[in-house]
Amino acid sequence: DIQMTQSPSSLSASVGDRVTITCQASQDISNYLNWYQQKPGKAPKLLIYDASNLETGVPSRFSGSGSGTDFTFTISSLQPEDIATYYCQQYDNLPMYTFGQGTKLEIK
Amino acid sequence: EVQLVESGGGLVQPGGSLRLSCAASGFTFSSYEMNWVRQAPGKGLEWVSYISSSGSTIYYADSVKGRFTISRDNAKNSLYLQMNSLRAEDTAVYYCARAVGGSLTWGQGTLVTVSS
Repeated sequence: DIQMTQSPSSLSASVGDRVTITCQASQDISNYLNWYQQKPGKAPKLLIYDASNLETGVPSRFSGSGSGTDFTFTISSLQPEDIATYYCQQYDNLPMYTFGQGTKLEIK
Repeated sequence: EVQLVESGGGLVQPGGSLRLSCAASGFTFSSYEMNWVRQAPGKGLEWVSYISSSGSTIYYADSVKGRFTISRDNAKNSLYLQMNSLRAEDTAVYYCARAVGGSLTWGQGTLVTVSS
């Protein structure tokens, strides 16, 4: 089974800061990686697909990069509405999906 | 607009059964693969089960294999999860999710609590 290791598990940053989250796969998954945002009490929402593609309607301050085993998710300038938990998700071995442990983002 | 509305959650005793439903609208349900994903309170996301668009191919996570059964009724635009022999560790919000390639679109979830 493919394991996804996401870090950090929590992060505190100030409005306007650049925020970076990493996700490492236990084996090569090419670019088969998505990033989701989950706000409290809500369902996850797709932000980035295929490692680096911005979902329609998602603000351009969100971005993703990487391939193989190492991936990065970045918020270029943190906004108050970005407070949420972020998850990476691999789909190299469909139809079984694996998620990272999540990163809880808070405002400092 | 894609809408997925789960129902059927609630409180059940250990060893009991529950059937979750997911009503789909805003897209051609019969053309899409569907999944159930769960999230225990305060925890991360765990994929539970997959069903192909026709219903002919099904997969389960090891944690629920032999106890849960996924099914669908394309005429009713509905997805189901029959959960038997429930355990405390099955307590979670259960989401139905439409798959497009490797990406998931989620419903709002329904809470299942397994407790005596």
